[in-house]
Amino acid sequence: AQSVTQLGSHVSVSEGALVLLRCNYSSSVPPYLFWYVQYPNQGLQLLLKYTSAATLVKGINGFEAEFKKSETSFHLTKPSAHMSDAAEYFCAVSDRVQGTYKYIFGTGTRLKVLA
Amino acid sequence: DVKVTQSSRYLVKRTGEKVFLECVQDMDHENMFWYRQDPGLGLRLIYFSYDVKMKEKGDIPEGYSVSREKKERFSLILESASTNQTSMYLCASSPGQVETDTQYFGPGTRLTVL
Repeated sequence: AQSVTQLGSHVSVSEGALVLLRCNYSSSVPPYLFWYVQYPNQGLQLLLKYTSAATLVKGINGFEAEFKKSETSFHLTKPSAHMSDAAEYFCAVSDRVQGTYKYIFGTGTRLKVLA
Repeated sequence: DVKVTQSSRYLVKRTGEKVFLECVQDMDHENMFWYRQDPGLGLRLIYFSYDVKMKEKGDIPEGYSVSREKKERFSLILESASTNQTSMYLCASSPGQVETDTQYFGPGTRLTVL
């Protein structure tokens, strides 16, 4: 079964600084990978996804992620953090189990943006 | 815009009660999902459904059941609530291909079992 590992359950950055949230996956076949964001008291919403097209994926709100097969990574970045980016971020991979697909989510990284 | 609504934002129940959590989506999506979200554990899949009257167990189905009588509605049932089922419950839906399609989430129901 596939899995994702998010390094760092809490990350703090200063406003205007680079945001880097790490995600590594385990997969023996090309995966489909996702980043979701959860703002306080809300459900999750999609930031971006990789589905075997371009390895550099651009998402909403200035975020992007690069699929690196050699490193089995799909790290999320944003050049300049904004206060409104404070949220919890989840990496996910879709996995085929007994003929059906489902998402496997990481444990999440809570981003704090310091003024 | 896809809208996924959940019947309650906050719910408090007593141990042993039967609990119903309702989820409705308005975009004619094929797939619907119930997740449980706990700090440090991320989201874990309880049950999902690819079609009306169809259900599949997820990773943690014990103590739960589901019902999908209509395409737009997916209910999660706790037959006899226990304190270890205190959690945030998230419903989601997706259009067709689970492996690549975006999942659209409701706002969640925070359930407390006393």
